[in-house]
Amino acid sequence: SSELTQDPAVSVALGQTVRITCQGDSLRNYYASWYQQKPGQAPVLVIYGKDNRPSGIPDRFSGSSSGNTASLTITGAQAEDEADYYCTSRVFFGGGTKLTVL
Amino acid sequence: QVQLQQWGAGLLKPSETLSLTCAVDGGSFIGYYWSWIRQPPGKGLEWIGEINQSGSTNYNPSLKSRVAISVDTSKNQFSLKVSSVAAADTAVYYCARFKGFGINNWFDPWGQGTLVTVSS
Repeated sequence: SSELTQDPAVSVALGQTVRITCQGDSLRNYYASWYQQKPGQAPVLVIYGKDNRPSGIPDRFSGSSSGNTASLTITGAQAEDEADYYCTSRVFFGGGTKLTVL
Repeated sequence: QVQLQQWGAGLLKPSETLSLTCAVDGGSFIGYYWSWIRQPPGKGLEWIGEINQSGSTNYNPSLKSRVAISVDTSKNQFSLKVSSVAAADTAVYYCARFKGFGINNWFDPWGQGTLVTVSS
C-alpha cells in the first residue's frame, strides 16, 4: 500500500522535544523524507535518507525509522518551527501534521 | 545551487486546459526526475507526475487521463498540462526535482508555486 498516515496535529512547549510520526507499508522498503511548510510558502526539505539534513537546516531536526514507521524529531523546538510537516516515501505523501509551538 | 522558477495562467474556466512551465536554473537536468505536485487550498500535497531528461514519464493514476508532462532539454524546462479542468483542480501547483536511488528518495528544491483557480 502507498498510503502514509500522520497525526493531523501535534503541539510542543517551547524548547521541548517533539516527535512527528509517519506510518506506511512502503516505509519498510524506502526511507521517508520530511518537509516543512509555512503558510503561503513552498515546502522545504528538512530530512532525507537515513538521517540527513540539507544545508541550512538546523541540527535540532533529526530523522529515524523502524519497521513501517518513520519519525521526525525536533529537539528543543523553537517558535519558528511552527509549521505543517509532511512525510513522503517515493512519490506518496502523508496527510501532514500541523505543529504548534506553545 | 539549483533553483526552479515556474509560471503559467492562474485563472481558468471549467473545461479549459491548465498549462504551467518550470525552468531549471543552475544545475544539471540529467539524473533526476522532474515532478509536478499540487495542493488544494487548506489541504495536503498530491503528486501529479514526473518526467526525466529522456522524456520518460510517470503519472498519478487518478489524474493520468488528463495530464501530460513534457520536457525541453534545450531550455532546461519542463511543462505540465491538465485538460478539462474543474473546480476540484483549484490548487497551488509546484514543480520540484525528485532524486531517487535505492531506498533513498526526496524532492528538492521546489518551485515557488502557482495558484491556479478554476471558476466560471
